[in-house]
Amino acid sequence: AQSVTQLDSHVSVSEGTPVLLRCNYSSSYSPSLFWYVQHPNKGLQLLLKYTSAATLVKGINGFEAEFKKSETSFHLTKPSAHMSDAAEYFCVVSAPGGYQKVTFGIGTKLQVIP
Amino acid sequence: GAGVSQSPSNKVTEKGKDVELRCDPISGHTALYWYRQRLGQGLEFLIYFQGNSAPDKSGLPSDRFSAERTGESVSTLTIQRTQQEDSAVYLCARGLAGGNEQFFGPGTRLTVL
Repeated sequence: AQSVTQLDSHVSVSEGTPVLLRCNYSSSYSPSLFWYVQHPNKGLQLLLKYTSAATLVKGINGFEAEFKKSETSFHLTKPSAHMSDAAEYFCVVSAPGGYQKVTFGIGTKLQVIP
Repeated sequence: GAGVSQSPSNKVTEKGKDVELRCDPISGHTALYWYRQRLGQGLEFLIYFQGNSAPDKSGLPSDRFSAERTGESVSTLTIQRTQQEDSAVYLCARGLAGGNEQFFGPGTRLTVL
């Protein structure tokens, strides 16, 4: 069984300040973890993924996430927010290996204030 | 793009009518997923096809929902006797070989009046 909890439904930051989007997971195995981004009226896009290699994962657009097994967390961060980062972000967990069913979090809407 | 096209992009229908939504992934990916995203909510898993295995239908919300897939290509999601609560964006995704990354289509926005 697996589940994912995104702790904040909305996050608001000022442009140029750090971004932290929180995600905790529950899994009975060593999971694969992902972050996806959905810009308004656009499709979902893979931001980054963790698949049991390095625990600090770098993604596109300056985002990164750190897998912490002891905390069952996979928080998404970015040092400096840009206006174009305003979007909805989804944390996703799945079993390792190919073609497994995945579980999406409910999403965190990021607002960037100029 | 993501290598997944969906049609129609928008569909408006009357309550009680049947609708058929289409997903057309590029060839060579054996996994295909359908999700529903209601306004302001996250993704709700509906059904998952993997190669020749029996599909995982555990997410289908009622027997009004069904889906088929022809080989490793086109999939159709059918909703019978639509209800207003079926209004949502229906997303299709293809699975990448060797991992669980998914590549999403643009979605079909269904509005049931």
